[in-house]
Amino acid sequence: IAGITQAPTSQILAAGRRMTLRCTQDMRHNAMYWYRQDLGLGLRLIHYSNTAGTTGKGEVPDGYSVSRANTDDFPLTLASAVPSQTSVYFCASRPYSSGSKDTQYFGPGTRLTVL
Amino acid sequence: GENVEQHPSTLSVQEGDSAVIKCTYSDSASNYFPWYKQELGKRPQLIIDIRSNVGEKKDQRIAVTLNKTAKHFSLHITETQPEDSAVYFCAARSYNQGGKLIFGQGTELSVKP
Repeated sequence: IAGITQAPTSQILAAGRRMTLRCTQDMRHNAMYWYRQDLGLGLRLIHYSNTAGTTGKGEVPDGYSVSRANTDDFPLTLASAVPSQTSVYFCASRPYSSGSKDTQYFGPGTRLTVL
Repeated sequence: GENVEQHPSTLSVQEGDSAVIKCTYSDSASNYFPWYKQELGKRPQLIIDIRSNVGEKKDQRIAVTLNKTAKHFSLHITETQPEDSAVYFCAARSYNQGGKLIFGQGTELSVKP
């Protein structure tokens, strides 16, 4: 069992280019999330999906889009990258329930640099 | 929506001392409060969590307390060790807000030998 995987591990990207960050989980979790982490700002939610086929906007959605075609995959796309999108991106997932076993787990992260 | 404030932003303690990190939240409907530890270059990892139906939870050297009336919760680490050095994040979740976790800004804890 791999848990949550992200690809690529790191990427340097020219401004204006399109980029898709991949996230896959094999835990059959319903809910998935994308966060960006910047020094001094903690983890800020970009987009989320509570179940396959649905998505929602988080705190900082501008410049990003997501899709959730199936339970396992939750790609994040930067349509036209800008330097302010330089950050570490974490994908996360959890079972979507109000019970006691709804821990949120994080992927290993993608370090993105936009020049 | 929910807003979580975390203090202090940095904390330095001597090995063996206790460390306390505090968070406040704004949404009274929030009912789940996890704490994550993030070592340098690694992913955040859950270390302890508490739900709104209890006031305190302990796991060996770490404990979390919750005051629902005041809308604040705290992480307590006793007998700190150098390996406790990391960034700690608190978070709050409200099922009224779709179950999303909202994080505090993080506390960089440094434990000096």
